[in-house]
Amino acid sequence: EVQLVQSGAEVKKPGESLKISCKGSGYSFTSYWIGWVRQMPGKGLEWMGIIYPGDSDTRYSPSFQGQVTISADKSISTAYLQWSSLKASDTAMYYCARLQQLVQFDYWGQGTLVTVSS
Amino acid sequence: QSALTQPRSVSGSPGQSVTISCTGTSSDVGGYNYVSWYQQHPGKAPKLMIYDVSKRPSGVPDRFSGSKSGNTASLTISGLQAEDEADYYCCSYAGSYLYVFGTGTKVTVL
Repeated sequence: EVQLVQSGAEVKKPGESLKISCKGSGYSFTSYWIGWVRQMPGKGLEWMGIIYPGDSDTRYSPSFQGQVTISADKSISTAYLQWSSLKASDTAMYYCARLQQLVQFDYWGQGTLVTVSS
Repeated sequence: QSALTQPRSVSGSPGQSVTISCTGTSSDVGGYNYVSWYQQHPGKAPKLMIYDVSKRPSGVPDRFSGSKSGNTASLTISGLQAEDEADYYCCSYAGSYLYVFGTGTKVTVL
């Protein structure tokens, strides 16, 4: 069974750094791109970027380029999303999802809620 | 890269049909047959309902169907059921490893 399990909720202060994770199982982790999607409170889905764990090839949405870093450790089948300096506007639910055939997100993680507040 | 345009809400009575539109441009929806649709219940992760414009993953009821004409894709729910009440998002491939989601539509079952 394909599963993507994300790390737990985080509460941070503005300016702090953060790295959240997404662990894949039940499939060949290195053979599928993993994407990250943001959902701000009460708002819609926004595509942030994707990574191919096989070779760490990474592509970003222009809206998120330079704002976050996506990485992966294929040895432990885990993808990451990180911030070097959080802002209150980063408060959101973040989902990881497997990208099937480069065009549809077929399996999703349960989401990680990030709250940034002073 | 702007979000695809969806109606904010649609509603229907049980058993009726509703259609959600998803309008983009020739650079995304109109340029590729790679539109997917996602259902999201409150507090839950999105779920893939339609891919490649009109294909249904295993386990998705056949009352869900998709289509596309020009720069507009559509999701139709036939025989609306109470459990179909949720938010729905379209998503299109936009070339060069870029993707764009729609603004989202709340489906209400009256």
